Amino acid sequence: NAGVTQTPKFQVLKTGQSMTLQCAQDMNHNSMYWYRQDPGMGLRLIYYSASEGTTDKGEVPNGYNVSRLNKREFSLRLESAAPSQTSVYFCASSDLRGEAFFGQGTRLTVV
Amino acid sequence: SQQGEEDPQALSIQEGENATMNCSYKTSINNLQWYRQNSGRGLVHLILIRSNEREKHSGRLRVTLDTSKKSSSLLITASRAADTASYFCATPLGKAGGTSYGKLTFGQGTILTVHP
Repeated sequence: NAGVTQTPKFQVLKTGQSMTLQCAQDMNHNSMYWYRQDPGMGLRLIYYSASEGTTDKGEVPNGYNVSRLNKREFSLRLESAAPSQTSVYFCASSDLRGEAFFGQGTRLTVV
Repeated sequence: SQQGEEDPQALSIQEGENATMNCSYKTSINNLQWYRQNSGRGLVHLILIRSNEREKHSGRLRVTLDTSKKSSSLLITASRAADTASYFCATPLGKAGGTSYGKLTFGQGTILTVHP
């Protein structure tokens, strides 16, 4: 049982490049989320998907897009990366008992 | 904007001692969660306490919730070196309620160091 799997684990991008962060969960959860974690800031919600076929903005959605490909997969896309998007990105999914499960994170550096 | 604020920002104790971390939040909530993050890893859910609960236990963890003061505390008893981690409180983002329990706003965390 892998839980929440994110790829890649590390990525370096040049300003203006695009990339997609992949996330998959095998726990049959309806809800999935993308967070970013910056030093001294805690985690902030970028986008979430309450169920397959729906997505909504979180606290800091600017510069990002998401796709809920199916119940298992939720991807985050940076269309034109900026240095301000240097961060650690976490995908999560949640069950109805109130517990959110997090992936191991993607450390992204934009130079 | 972040809802939760943890206190202290850092805590250093000896193995066997108790560790207490506090969290304050701003708006009404229907639940509050605590998570742990080991260095360089993802967050791990510790406990969820609902607004109609005052105290909850899980192993060596004790969480309290005071909705009148909009505050919560996490107590780790008989700490171990393996408890060294960052601890975050998290509250629902946006409208309280619903089933998207992972839609959260986090505090900045308390860095706990337990010395052997």
